[in-house]
Amino acid sequence: NAGVTQTPKFRILKIGQSMTLQCTQDMNHNYMYWYRQDPGMGLKLIYYSVGAGITDKGEVPNGYNVSRSTTEDFPLRLELAAPSQTSVYFCASSYGGQLYEQYFGPGTRLTVT
Amino acid sequence: DAKTTQPNSMESNEEEPVHLPCNHSTISGTDYIHWYRQLPSQGPEYVIHGLTSNVNNRMASLAIAEDRKSSTLILHRATLRDAAVYYCILYFQGAQKLVFGQGTRLTINP
Repeated sequence: NAGVTQTPKFRILKIGQSMTLQCTQDMNHNYMYWYRQDPGMGLKLIYYSVGAGITDKGEVPNGYNVSRSTTEDFPLRLELAAPSQTSVYFCASSYGGQLYEQYFGPGTRLTVT
Repeated sequence: DAKTTQPNSMESNEEEPVHLPCNHSTISGTDYIHWYRQLPSQGPEYVIHGLTSNVNNRMASLAIAEDRKSSTLILHRATLRDAAVYYCILYFQGAQKLVFGQGTRLTINP
């Protein structure tokens, strides 16, 4: 059982480049989430989705875009990378709501120089 | 979102119980209390959650005060692998998402 998988594990981008962080879950969860974690800090929610075709902004959405065309996949797009986006990015999924736990992927470490 | 307050850091010894406190004085009646932990260089993992009654699972126990203004995560017999940042989070009805705070960094001494 793979759970939540993320690719790539590491990436270095130059300022102004674009990239897509991939996230896939095999648990048939409706809810999926993208977080970022800066060094020594807690996680901050970027975007989340409550089902295919439905997405919504979290605390820090600026500079990012998401789409959810299938239940399994929730890619995160960085259009014009900036040094402030240097962070570790975690994807998570859940059945949703208060009663259910979130399952997290291993993370993508992104450096923008 | 209702706020939680946790100590920045705690230290304990291997094979001893650990009690991690969390204050949430503004909790409302339908807010669930969730705990997650994050081991070094890993994504967070779920530990336990509850509403009013104390809860036990294979990882830990959650003790919730009668007035629900505080709770305590109990690790019954700490191991070195329990060294992590522990997050106490209130998940309110209809929120659809967790909001992580700073958490408590737990150090376990051999």
